[in-house]
Amino acid sequence: EAGVAQSPRYKIIEKRQSVAFWCNPISGHATLYWYQQILGQGPKLLIQFQNNGVVDDSQLPKDRFSAERLKGVDSTLKIQPAKLEDSAVYLCASSPAGEVGTGELFFGEGSRLTVL
Amino acid sequence: AQSVTQLDSQVPVFEEAPVELRCNYSSSVSVYLFWYVQYPNQGLQLLLKYLSGSTLVKSINGFEAEFNKSQTSFHLRKPSVHISDTAEYFCAVRLTGGGNKLTFGTGTQLKVEL
Repeated sequence: EAGVAQSPRYKIIEKRQSVAFWCNPISGHATLYWYQQILGQGPKLLIQFQNNGVVDDSQLPKDRFSAERLKGVDSTLKIQPAKLEDSAVYLCASSPAGEVGTGELFFGEGSRLTVL
Repeated sequence: AQSVTQLDSQVPVFEEAPVELRCNYSSSVSVYLFWYVQYPNQGLQLLLKYLSGSTLVKSINGFEAEFNKSQTSFHLRKPSVHISDTAEYFCAVRLTGGGNKLTFGTGTQLKVEL
């Protein structure tokens, strides 16, 4: 079974530029998450989708971050304009529908963003 | 809101020695608890979890953790570590009230030395 795919693995941009990250979850997984992991900190949930609807985006900085999951499968996370403090690893994860009780999330390898 | 504290950012240990990685949580309601592991250049993987029942849970590679409600802890232990256990370990908590939102601790880097 293929895992969660993310691209690009690495991205370096100047501040005020824009960047987009792509995620393809495990086939059949209805729930998709984007986490931000800043160096020295634990992953922080940015947004959670159930199919193509948003379940939780309370910690998403909506003035510069946006995310979509139009067909309930893959997802894109965009940052525009980027700030220095956005330097982090962006993790995508997925979980099957109906697995609410197990809590297991399946993570991709992450996309490392460096903002100069 | 729930939170997780991992006091040790780094734990160096010699191979075949025992290790304990500490995790404490804070929540006003009941929770589920998890340990995730991140090997170098890989994504996070579930190591073990406590949902209900026996408070002692075990992984397939020799780790175990015990849920202690009175001390609000979920420490991870292994009696004899191997060089391949070198990784970062994250404790995470989820409210039992649904939503599947995980809150992670800051992580503990376990470095096993020969």
